[in-house]
Amino acid sequence: LAKTTQPISMDSYEGQEVNITCSHNNIATNDYITWYQQFPSQGPRFIIQGYKTKVTNEVASLFIPADRKSSTLSLPRVSLSDTAVYYCLVGSSSGTALIFGKGTTLSVSS
Amino acid sequence: GAVVSQHPSRVICKSGTSVKIECRSLDFQATTMFWYRQFPKKSLMLMATSNEGSKATYEQGVEKDKFLINHASLTLSTLTVTSAHPEDSSFYICSARELAYIQYFGAGTRLSVL
Repeated sequence: LAKTTQPISMDSYEGQEVNITCSHNNIATNDYITWYQQFPSQGPRFIIQGYKTKVTNEVASLFIPADRKSSTLSLPRVSLSDTAVYYCLVGSSSGTALIFGKGTTLSVSS
Repeated sequence: GAVVSQHPSRVICKSGTSVKIECRSLDFQATTMFWYRQFPKKSLMLMATSNEGSKATYEQGVEKDKFLINHASLTLSTLTVTSAHPEDSSFYICSARELAYIQYFGAGTRLSVL
């Protein structure tokens, strides 16, 4: 059973900022939060990972509140090529597999 | 980021034949690799966890005699679909976990059984 809940779909326009929120109420102390992007007929691509507060890299930011029961992936100025399915996953450092939920289908229009 | 190579990317086979899919971690060693299956417009389903030098751990409902997994080295895991049938047609994806707790995924293998 997936540990996370995300909106099924979101729509946006080119140049806008997109925020996708994920709920993980039962996150464990040693769990990390990881986001992946998947295009059709491709494997998931790592976007960003965090444990608490804020993490930023060249493509996205990840905001995690103090209670860690949710997280928000922020994509600045999306383009058409950002149309994809985005998955939020929680997992520990113990080596167990990531269990995928349904993900969020982001559609970016011009 | 780390690279996981999966081969072949697409395979078409006749019913009753066996198909082998390879998963390699190119720039890191992976004691554990994972195999997933994905149906059209659905999420990834974990099939099994592949451990180097030991037997794989299969998820409930996955036939271990149908989906043979071998993890003979720290950089290679293989999934063999034995006696494939049309219902085995799917998108198979492997992943490997490197030290920073990040799982990296292969590009996937599209299996079509005629």
